Amino acid sequence: RKEVEQDPGPFNVPEGATVAFNCTYSNSASQSFFWYRQDCRKEPKLLMSVYSSGNEDGRFTAQLNRASQYISLLIRDSKLSDSATYLCVVNSNRDDKIIFGKGTRLHILP
Amino acid sequence: IAGITQAPTSQILAAGRRMTLRCTQDMRHNAMYWYRQDLGLGLRLIHYSNTAGTTGKGEVPDGYSVSRANTDDFPLTLASAVPSQTSVYFCASSDPMRGRNYGYTFGSGTRLTVV
Repeated sequence: RKEVEQDPGPFNVPEGATVAFNCTYSNSASQSFFWYRQDCRKEPKLLMSVYSSGNEDGRFTAQLNRASQYISLLIRDSKLSDSATYLCVVNSNRDDKIIFGKGTRLHILP
Repeated sequence: IAGITQAPTSQILAAGRRMTLRCTQDMRHNAMYWYRQDLGLGLRLIHYSNTAGTTGKGEVPDGYSVSRANTDDFPLTLASAVPSQTSVYFCASSDPMRGRNYGYTFGSGTRLTVV
């Protein structure tokens, strides 16, 4: 099993819809989880950390399911500007390095 | 400077030439990293440094070297460039002392083409 696995997409979603995608991780001892956003030809930027209790930031909600070893990102009322690649990131714990998933591409359609 | 600065933004390099990619941060972060990003392969760690004076190998270190003489600078050197090193290179930093939930800050990248 890959350390961090994401559906590459693309997810083509109409503007205003709700979209969710998951990311699975293999190391049950992982402690830190993040979602990053990367626009085309730009650097990754931290979108949000994922806490055990789940957390919400405006239209974005992140959840952690330790039992099934996945994290999720939910985007409500999607905007055209949400079009990007979303990277799942997990702390490896072996050496405190973080492992990046390959990303899920999201296209919001007008 | 605010955050991380990488230079050059892009470069076309002849195979066999030596090249140093520069990375400077002004956040006083202890840890710094170099990643390469290739289509279909995602971000792969080349080298890292947990603090000034120390460096370590990542997932794909061959053909690259780094140094960390001070907290702010973390240059990446390609001793003799090969076409397979054509990629986008990102420098990143983090401050583990702030805790595990603060993530990494990335520079804007260097797009390198080796011909």
